[in-house]
Amino acid sequence: SQQGEEDPQALSIQEGENATMNCSYKTSINNLQWYRQNSGRGLVHLILIRSNEREKHSGRLRVTLDTSKKSSSLLITASRAADTASYFCATTVPSGGFKTIFGAGTRLFVKA
Amino acid sequence: NAGVTQTPKFRVLKTGQSMTLLCAQDMNHEYMYWYRQDPGMGLRLIHYSVGEGTTAKGEVPDGYNVSRLKKQNFLLGLESAAPSQTSVYFCASSSRATREYFGPGTRLTVT
Repeated sequence: SQQGEEDPQALSIQEGENATMNCSYKTSINNLQWYRQNSGRGLVHLILIRSNEREKHSGRLRVTLDTSKKSSSLLITASRAADTASYFCATTVPSGGFKTIFGAGTRLFVKA
Repeated sequence: NAGVTQTPKFRVLKTGQSMTLLCAQDMNHEYMYWYRQDPGMGLRLIHYSVGEGTTAKGEVPDGYNVSRLKKQNFLLGLESAAPSQTSVYFCASSSRATREYFGPGTRLTVT
């Protein structure tokens, strides 16, 4: 089974509303990252939060990390139609170096 | 900087044929990765490399081989393609335990 699992699998909101996506993982991590993928395109890195950090902000993005619950959340405030994409959390785990494990993603649809 | 490039962008193979996907990065990154993404799913790690001359298995390594003869290149080989390997393949690179930079992907169809 995958290390990271996002919830919900799909989310549909109106432009201007906030979108919250959650990610749970199973093992100890070095860091957790969030990526965005527009349909048919490669992944774009949004934000990285280290295991000793609890919250990070980047523009309209806010990420929290709770290592005791092995969970993270991504909040997009004041969403725009251009935010429509799939969002993936990825955990970097120590394993003969480091490797990154992706979740299945949350599909966000922002209606104009 | 070109970042991470992948060749080819598209390929159609017949069952049993072989091919090699090439990934190149110009950021002097130590780590390189190969993922596959199936429709509606996240990325699954096939193989990865933590440095020139080293490779390691990821989640779904069966049916694939890799080589990292040069630091900037990471090759993914399919010796005998199967329809189950129809997917989009992404290469990525990173410095040690930091964000990954992704290539644009290779769309492979095996008939």
